[in-house]
Amino acid sequence: AQKVTQAQTEISVVEKEDVTLDCVYETRDTTYYLFWYKQPPSGELVFLIRRNSFDEQNEISGRYSWNFQKSTSSFNFTITASQVVDSAVYFCASPNFGNEKLTFGTGTRLTIIP
Amino acid sequence: DGGITQSPKYLFRKEGQNVTLSCEQNLNHDAMYWYRQDPGQGLRLIYYSQIVNDFQKGDIAEGYSVSREKKESFPLTVTSAQKNPTAFYLCASSIMVSDYGYTFGSGTRLTVV
Repeated sequence: AQKVTQAQTEISVVEKEDVTLDCVYETRDTTYYLFWYKQPPSGELVFLIRRNSFDEQNEISGRYSWNFQKSTSSFNFTITASQVVDSAVYFCASPNFGNEKLTFGTGTRLTIIP
Repeated sequence: DGGITQSPKYLFRKEGQNVTLSCEQNLNHDAMYWYRQDPGQGLRLIYYSQIVNDFQKGDIAEGYSVSREKKESFPLTVTSAQKNPTAFYLCASSIMVSDYGYTFGSGTRLTVV
């Protein structure tokens, strides 16, 4: 993607609430992948998911789900029944035009309040 | 287990000194990357290398230098020309960015004292 936007800088929710993190991308590519990474307080970025632009089906993994919509260029991430361990910074990313590197959003800091 | 090892985890540098951060991977990945992260901020690309003996500047290369003499290693030197080096540094590698994204190391936290 040429640009990845995460408009939500910080979000705080009470434990067990559902929360959605937004990601909007701009790309000239006809096929592309989108990624989500989690950065817990320890600092290392952990891969969560990748999606191919051909596959618009929603993905669910336990309490995590992802909604990919090409029509709105969005790849949103929902955590249901949030837990304190979900507190982290979450980054959305996509390969740049030329596929040399990832373009990252600015990240969303999620705080789950016990 | 395959992965990326960054060392040291914490590093303290006196003003005016050069310091080298280590990044080693045993994933057989061709591409490697260095990012800088300031508190509460996103990731900024410093340098990247797609093959041995070749590397490109990222968005904030000034005050940094790298080498890529071996596929497994991509050390980053923070020189005295970098005026504000205190930050968290992340190394990453990739076998194919378009399809697989990055694998990240655990980071080095550099503090100037």
